[in-house]
Amino acid sequence: EPEVTQTPSHQVTQMGQEVILRCVPISNHLYFYWYRQILGQKVEFLVSFYNNEISEKSEIFDDQFSVERPDGSNFTLKIRSTKLEDSAMYFCASSRGLTDTQYFGPGTRLTVL
Amino acid sequence: AQTVTQSQPEMSVQEAETVTLSCTYDTSESDYYLFWYKQPPSRQMILVIRQEAYKQQNATENRFSVNFQKAAKSFSLKISDSQLGDAAMYFCASKGEYGNKLVFGAGTILRVKS
Repeated sequence: EPEVTQTPSHQVTQMGQEVILRCVPISNHLYFYWYRQILGQKVEFLVSFYNNEISEKSEIFDDQFSVERPDGSNFTLKIRSTKLEDSAMYFCASSRGLTDTQYFGPGTRLTVL
Repeated sequence: AQTVTQSQPEMSVQEAETVTLSCTYDTSESDYYLFWYKQPPSRQMILVIRQEAYKQQNATENRFSVNFQKAAKSFSLKISDSQLGDAAMYFCASKGEYGNKLVFGAGTILRVKS
């Protein structure tokens, strides 16, 4: 069964450094998403991406964040200058259509020191 | 705006028994979708069940079923014949028909006792 994959599983970085989180969505899916979950808190939407552009973003998704689909398979989330409060689990998800179920990857745990 | 409320931070159930997890939601959209996701200790988010709001029939998926009460904006999850592997955090989520994002509740930790 196809699944969403994410790398790395755990990333440790110093405050102020740039990080890139990588995702490979399910191959015939057209909509891609990033969510984050700070430890012990609810899952929060960051951004959605369709047809090579951002279709919706939350207030969390400020200028420090960017997304890109650099080739036909990868979908990346870049955080330009990490802050302590960016420490969280970051989930990538994808769906075939806008009304179809979103399937999640296993997550990347980001730790900012 | 959409909101999802899970009022039970934690629930316990004996193995082989039945448990119901509660969820209420609010939305201004006429058409929407509701979901239950399971998050085991590995923290992967796994879809349990999906309900389209326009369908009156409650969704079922093997031992998992929902009680969807549209007028009351309630969407509870029933787990029958609970197994040790059901122990996890369960999130209720909603999505508007034309929106992109899932809106999640705070989650309910389910503990299964042997």
